[in-house]
Formats: sequence, structure tokens, C-alpha cells
Amino acid sequence: GAVVSQHPSRVICKSGTSVKIECRSLDFQATTMFWYRQFPKQSLMLMATSNEGSKATYEQGVEKDKFLINHASLTLSTLTVTSAHPEDSSFYICSARRGRNQPQHFGDGTRLSIL
Amino acid sequence: RKEVEQDPGPFNVPEGATVAFNCTYSNSASQSFFWYRQDCRKEPKLLMSVYSSGNEDGRFTAQLNRASQYISLLIRDSKLSDSATYLCVVSRPPAGGGNKLTFGTGTQLKVEL
Repeated sequence: GAVVSQHPSRVICKSGTSVKIECRSLDFQATTMFWYRQFPKQSLMLMATSNEGSKATYEQGVEKDKFLINHASLTLSTLTVTSAHPEDSSFYICSARRGRNQPQHFGDGTRLSIL
Repeated sequence: RKEVEQDPGPFNVPEGATVAFNCTYSNSASQSFFWYRQDCRKEPKLLMSVYSSGNEDGRFTAQLNRASQYISLLIRDSKLSDSATYLCVVSRPPAGGGNKLTFGTGTQLKVEL
């Protein structure tokens, strides 16, 4: 199978804190990883596409300086929410795929709550 | 207009019922189509791909009508464990290659005794 692990699964922290979320492909090399966000009762929205060794491509309306993405290896991508505020509270999910036309495999998500 | 539209439900059905979900998409360049299942507060999981010829996987049947830009999912003999949110997902190639997934907001199904 293709397993994607995401850590941590739950974060509760104070406003102004920076939070790092890790996404790992455990049994395959992921050329591309994706970061999504899902607010309650809404669809998953793609935030950015991350290719190993290059800068992430951000979707319109997503601040790249606010959501820092690092894809340093073929098995790890990180998303850092800098100076998080209550409006950043959401369910963040990553996915990974082996190649361009391969299916995406999802991590189990990180529920972020900013107080 | 949303790129992928679904009836949010909820659909409350008795165990054993047949239930159908519909989805429409707006981008005619869309190439691949999927149904995902998402349980409460969990990540989405691929249920099945959808093909123009229609495809069946056990109690689940998916249909695609490219001319109408319409996708459906039929669940027969529904079980309590089918209770979840069903996401219609469409894939299209963005500039630069690969495939970009666009998710519908999902249709909630509650199967009751």
C-alpha cells in the first residue's frame, strides 16, 4: 500500500505561535506533496503544491509568507503556520503521490486550534 | 459557480435502502473523476474512480456523463457503516502538468436502523 503519515494529529496553541506540521510518505518516494485545508462543513481546499527540491506553488489567496512549505526530501514535506491566529484554526491535510499521473494518498490530517 | 457541486444532504436512509448521490462539475477540461469517502474528522479515502462506461464495486456503482458534466454514485443495500460524507472529486491538468484535484463539499449520508 501507500501510507502517508501526518504529525501531529492535534495541536492547540496560543495566538501568535508558529506551528509546524509534518507529512511523510512511509513506503514510497513522493515527487509531489499537496497541502489542503478544510473548514467545518466546507470542501477540502488546495493550499499549495510542493515538489521536492523546488519552491512550492501556492494557490490564489494563500499567503506564502504565512504558510511556509519545505519539501527537503522525497519522503518529507513540512507546513509551518507562522504567527497563527484563531482564523487559522482548521483541519490541515497533506497528500503525496509518486508521479504525475499517480493517485494522491492522504495523510490522516492535523486539527489545529488557535486560542 | 463552484467547480464541483453536490447536494450537501444529509440523506437519512434506513438500513438496506438504495441511495443515489449526484454531482456536477463546471470545467469541461476535467479528465479524471473520483468518489471519496470522509468520516467525521478524518482524512478522505478513495472509494472508487469513475469512468464513462460506468463501473461497479460490490454495492457501489458510479456513472459519468461527460456531455452533461454529471457524476453519480449509487449505493445498494446500505449498511450502518456506510454513514459518512461522500466527496465528489474532479481532476484536471493545471499549467505545468500533473493533476489537480478539486473537491466538492460532500454529501452526508446517515444510515439508520
